[in-house]
Amino acid sequence: NFMLIQPHSVSESPGKTVTISCTGSSGSIASNFVQWYQQRPGSAPTTVIYEDNQRPSGVPDRFSGSIDSSSNSASLTISDLKTEDEADYFCQSYVGSTVVFGGGTKLTVL
Amino acid sequence: EVQLVESGGSVVRPGGSLRLSCEGSGFMFDDHGMTWVRRAPGKGLEWVSGLNWKSGNTDYVDSVKGRFTISRDNANNSLYLQMNSLRVEDTAVYYCARGPTSARPLWFDVWGQGTTVTVSS
Repeated sequence: NFMLIQPHSVSESPGKTVTISCTGSSGSIASNFVQWYQQRPGSAPTTVIYEDNQRPSGVPDRFSGSIDSSSNSASLTISDLKTEDEADYFCQSYVGSTVVFGGGTKLTVL
Repeated sequence: EVQLVESGGSVVRPGGSLRLSCEGSGFMFDDHGMTWVRRAPGKGLEWVSGLNWKSGNTDYVDSVKGRFTISRDNANNSLYLQMNSLRVEDTAVYYCARGPTSARPLWFDVWGQGTTVTVSS
């Protein structure tokens, strides 16, 4: 079964840049779009990146997404980190009609 | 304002049933497929079920097939999840989410606030 593998946690200081990876277990991650969702404690998920690198309106341009075919990975990069960026981040893609989420990465901004 | 509001979560015993509801507002339901996603305590997001709004075609994660049924009420802009034969491992916050087109969603652009289902004896 296709899986998306994320680091369990990352931490960085305010004002810095952090990158969260999402590696496909098989096939080519570039074959289907990757999305990224942010979930703050006690809140619902929100979409921060869709279709690999598109930002919904209202999401600051500090958030960016990319695909690296050589490592079969997607990445979410957050620059100029703010304390409110502290959250769980989930990548998501699909195989055929099956939706797959990564296990999630807890971002700590300290 | 585009909004999804879930309801129906509760505490239920193993083997019991629940019906979750999701009411949408601020957009044309006919233009969007819908889905249910859950997050169990200490776990990540898990896709549960999806529905093509126009065709009515549905799909489910293997662990709920035969137990859960997704459905819609066009007139009331509502999505439902009928959950039967509930198991302890179904305990989670259940979110409804909207797809960007009327097809069964492969990603989600709007999320509800969630409703909590606890299955416990």
